[in-house]
Amino acid sequence: AQKITQTQPGMFVQEKEAVTLDCTYDTSDQSYGLFWYKQPSSGEMIFLIYQGSYDEQNATEGRYSLNFQKARKSANLVISASQLGDSAMYFCAMREGPNFGNEKLTFGTGTRLTIIP
Amino acid sequence: DGGITQSPKYLFRKEGQNVTLSCEQNLNHDAMYWYRQDPGQGLRLIYYSQIVNDFQKGDIAEGYSVSREKKESFPLTVTSAQKNPTAFYLCASKEQGSNYGYTFGSGTRLTVV
Repeated sequence: AQKITQTQPGMFVQEKEAVTLDCTYDTSDQSYGLFWYKQPSSGEMIFLIYQGSYDEQNATEGRYSLNFQKARKSANLVISASQLGDSAMYFCAMREGPNFGNEKLTFGTGTRLTIIP
Repeated sequence: DGGITQSPKYLFRKEGQNVTLSCEQNLNHDAMYWYRQDPGQGLRLIYYSQIVNDFQKGDIAEGYSVSREKKESFPLTVTSAQKNPTAFYLCASKEQGSNYGYTFGSGTRLTVV
């Protein structure tokens, strides 16, 4: 079974609209972390936001927020007021187990977001 | 400035040849990782290392080899046994104890000609 599932291969959104990118995960660990990364066409991976499994509040970082629904094993990324520069690939990732420092990340297949002027 | 440097950015290899991708970090991170990215498949873990002189296989280690002789360096060799090596390769490192501490390099695009 896939540990991280992103069901939207591509999305087109009008500039200034909000957009939600879906991510579901599968783990039996009680302690884990969820990440979202942005990958522009240049290829580098840009960290956007992090949610720990024990965090009670949804994470927010500027225009990015993470809609964390633990019972549904869902960690959707919400981008408010989208901009042309938001056009990129977006990856959801998970670290399983507590953060002792060196755990590997498992990635989803990504969503290509295109913002339309 | 601290960061991860991957070189070269583009690499061409003839079939049957081994090739080594460089990854150097000056962040004093203990853990380092190699990922492979193919279109539509996201990032898949090849090898990772938590300390010097120690490394573990990831999900797709066949046809690859690594070494970790220095904390700063984690080179990846793509051997002739790797049947489909054309891909984008990303190196990453992690700061111990930090949730946000995964840092990625800018990647190497390998093409077999």
